[in-house]
Amino acid sequence: QSVLTQPPSASGTPGQRVTISCSGSSSNIGSETVNWYQQLPGTAPKLLIYSTYQRPSGVPDRFSGSKSGTSASLAISGLQSEDEADYYCAAWDDSLKGWLFGGGTKLTVL
Amino acid sequence: QVQLQESGPGLAKPAETLSLTCTVSGYSINRGYYWGWIRQPPGKGLEWIASIFHSGSTYYNPSLKSRVTISVNTSKNQFSLKLSSVTAADTAVYYCTREGVKYCTGSICSRDEDYWGQGTLVTVSS
Repeated sequence: QSVLTQPPSASGTPGQRVTISCSGSSSNIGSETVNWYQQLPGTAPKLLIYSTYQRPSGVPDRFSGSKSGTSASLAISGLQSEDEADYYCAAWDDSLKGWLFGGGTKLTVL
Repeated sequence: QVQLQESGPGLAKPAETLSLTCTVSGYSINRGYYWGWIRQPPGKGLEWIASIFHSGSTYYNPSLKSRVTISVNTSKNQFSLKLSSVTAADTAVYYCTREGVKYCTGSICSRDEDYWGQGTLVTVSS
């Protein structure tokens, strides 16, 4: 069982805005930055958001990250069919002294 | 642009030791950063395994620590993973990574981008 909790699934229609949550604790999300990854079938995870809010070069501004207390969120606006993928959150844990991942959220574009 | 490439046998027998190497290009391991291994069993989520600094400082996932050794070879610009006493549960795609470094200005901290290899599938089977 993952220590960072994500909903197993999410869905939306093209053009819609969807959010995916990631819940942790004071030793990880509460005190550290959060990364988000997008994983298309058969490929390596791709960094989507780093340092909670930052987008790597080439990632569309439709993707945004936020954090409040011990929870973080990934928002996708203007949903597109190519956004259908698995999404993972991750954060360093100061108690574990290691990286934690969420269990992943499968996003379906209806 | 830093690039990472995993290499090693794609098949391991139960009870044996799995050995993987990550070759880094476009960046010298000696310059810094933590370098790590993450795995993903088929159809499942991501699991952090271990991390190492160029100086040899290490962090291990407590659930795997007794079976894992991570090491670095700065002369070859490589780092490696050994996982002993493997079982079918260790079947996974193994990724090597350069972790984002944390930097703080006062109480405000940030972390820069991380980089991943493409991953290599290791199957544990007799």
